[in-house]
Amino acid sequence: GIQVEQSPPDLILQEGANSTLRCNFSDSVNNLQWFHQNPWGQLINLFYIPSGTKQNGRLSATTVATERYSLLYISSSQTTDSGVYFCAVTLGNTGNQFYFGTGTSLTVIP
Amino acid sequence: GAVVSQHPSWVICKSGTSVKIECRSLDFQATTMFWYRQFPKQSLMLMATSNEGSKATYEQGVEKDKFLINHASLTLSTLTVTSAHPEDSSFYICSANRGPPGSPLHFGNGTRLTVT
Repeated sequence: GIQVEQSPPDLILQEGANSTLRCNFSDSVNNLQWFHQNPWGQLINLFYIPSGTKQNGRLSATTVATERYSLLYISSSQTTDSGVYFCAVTLGNTGNQFYFGTGTSLTVIP
Repeated sequence: GAVVSQHPSWVICKSGTSVKIECRSLDFQATTMFWYRQFPKQSLMLMATSNEGSKATYEQGVEKDKFLINHASLTLSTLTVTSAHPEDSSFYICSANRGPPGSPLHFGNGTRLTVT
């Protein structure tokens, strides 16, 4: 099956710092989403980004489908950004099931 | 925006009993819903695809007789964990697309199951 690897697995940032999270996938994908899982387990949809670049406030994302990766940028990080970030993809030749990456656990310290 | 409601948010049950978890799409119709399981400090693993009016499609390695899925209407899917054991303790989350296949997923808040 498809491998969806995220890096780094863990990240600790000082408040105000910037960071880049990476999502690599082993097969062609139709769609990609980035999620933030807060400490209570709630999944928040950040970006739906099968290709190109999108920005939403301090966050932005870029997907280069032909090279099989996506990046999530967090600028001026805040303590509320802490949690786990997941990318999830749907495969090019199957249905609409999303498969999740390994996740990046982010801790922002004041 | 799209809202997916999941109930209960947490449940504790004794080993050998069955537990039913409900997933509702509140402001849209969902012909397909997805059930995920997440163990502590791990990623979300897709368990099955719930199809309205037909049988669910299970991922490899997921026991269909243990995790019964029913999708009787366009707004409700249920997951029943039958004869639960402590190793079934996990975080179960449902999701649905609002729109065509592959459109953005919207998640419920999850159900934390503890089997004693």
